[in-house]
Amino acid sequence: GAGVSQSPRYKVTKRGQDVTLRCDPISSHATLYWYQQALGQGPEFLTYFNYEAQPDKSGLPSDRFSAERPEGSISTLTIQRTEQRDSAMYSCASSPTSGVAYNEQFFGPGTRLTVL
Amino acid sequence: DQQVKQNSPSLSVQEGRISILNCDYTNSMFDYFLWYKKYPAEGPTFLISISSIKDKNEDGRFTVFLNKSAKHLSLHIVPSQPGDSAVYFCAASRTTSGTYKYIFGTGTRLKVLA
Repeated sequence: GAGVSQSPRYKVTKRGQDVTLRCDPISSHATLYWYQQALGQGPEFLTYFNYEAQPDKSGLPSDRFSAERPEGSISTLTIQRTEQRDSAMYSCASSPTSGVAYNEQFFGPGTRLTVL
Repeated sequence: DQQVKQNSPSLSVQEGRISILNCDYTNSMFDYFLWYKKYPAEGPTFLISISSIKDKNEDGRFTVFLNKSAKHLSLHIVPSQPGDSAVYFCAASRTTSGTYKYIFGTGTRLKVLA
């Protein structure tokens, strides 16, 4: 596709359930980022991938959060044993490895997660 | 510890006038700054950026100014149009870290009144 897509767009789950969010980046982009955005806040970095490598997981809030990008394209973010404080918008962004837009990250529409 | 701050949560401006959105940062290692615009139900979209080697970058109606000594940047929109009504985020990164990890501010909601 032309842009970054994410699914589902909305997810409501009960506390204690596991959820998996999906990101499909722009096909030519090597780098993929995950962000968490609480209401009234800006996006906060969770982790990023360079192809399938995951050099930085420093933003993941706890070991309940994990992300994968096994073939260097589509990525998933999984939250195990969800808690109400996990409720937020989860955004994915991708970035090319070189060129004019090197530092520009292209964002998807986000997944709004609500944990009841 | 908020490394990037946007102290004005909202701003209203009359159509045709100048909009000035401000952003302050605390980390002197940041060397690349960006502004993103976000409409409801959409992801942020890139607007304009500036490297720390410059103090001004202009793109059409949008100009970003960087004052490194004050650790302050601002986005000027002239003239403001109703379609500019959105939430604006500034973001900073440390390109020498290699990750281009962005640190975002909390956003300023701009409303341009017709």
